[in-house]
Amino acid sequence: GENVEQHPSTLSVQEGDSAVIKCTYSDSASNYFPWYKQELGKRPQLIIDIRSNVGEKKDQRIAVTLNKTAKHFSLHITETQPEDSAVYFCAASRRSDMRFGAGTRLTVKP
Amino acid sequence: DAGVIQSPRHEVTEMGQEVTLRCKPISGHDYLFWYRQTMMRGLELLIYFNNNVPIDDSGMPEDRFSAKMPNASFSTLKIQPSEPRDSAVYFCASSFPSGSGFHNEQFFGPGTRLTVL
Repeated sequence: GENVEQHPSTLSVQEGDSAVIKCTYSDSASNYFPWYKQELGKRPQLIIDIRSNVGEKKDQRIAVTLNKTAKHFSLHITETQPEDSAVYFCAASRRSDMRFGAGTRLTVKP
Repeated sequence: DAGVIQSPRHEVTEMGQEVTLRCKPISGHDYLFWYRQTMMRGLELLIYFNNNVPIDDSGMPEDRFSAKMPNASFSTLKIQPSEPRDSAVYFCASSFPSGSGFHNEQFFGPGTRLTVL
């Protein structure tokens, strides 16, 4: 089955800096790669997703890139703000089941 | 729509007791997922349904766990008997397929925090 690895497990940045989180997946047939943000005590919520027919997608301060050949995808957050502090999960799926990475705890220091 | 609804939000029980978690997916969504989240194991997919039919239950940890979806608007996850290591947050999520072979966002419920003493 699909195996998703996510790095780093923790990330601390200064407000205004950029943050990058990377994930690799094992199943070359996976075609959907969402990123979820989970604040403390809350549910995971989708912040951006990308499908295998595109290589990059951007939404304001967040962007995701996908390299199908290398089977890795990354989340980029620019101009980080304290409210970006949360746990971020990547995921990969090829049918309906979705496998999540272990999560990255992002701390943005004011 | 109120989103995915789960109940109870918190459950504290003693080892050996039966626990039933409930989920109401978003109307019109035909996929329903059950996840377990712990610090040690992260977010694990336990089972998912399509049109009320279980598709993949390979993530269900043991025979003590069972899930049903008797209709499109209701699902249960049951643990019998419960053990302390079952303590976790259990999320239910729902989605619908895009029809193009890709998938759509999974919408998560608020979760049920289960504590087994």
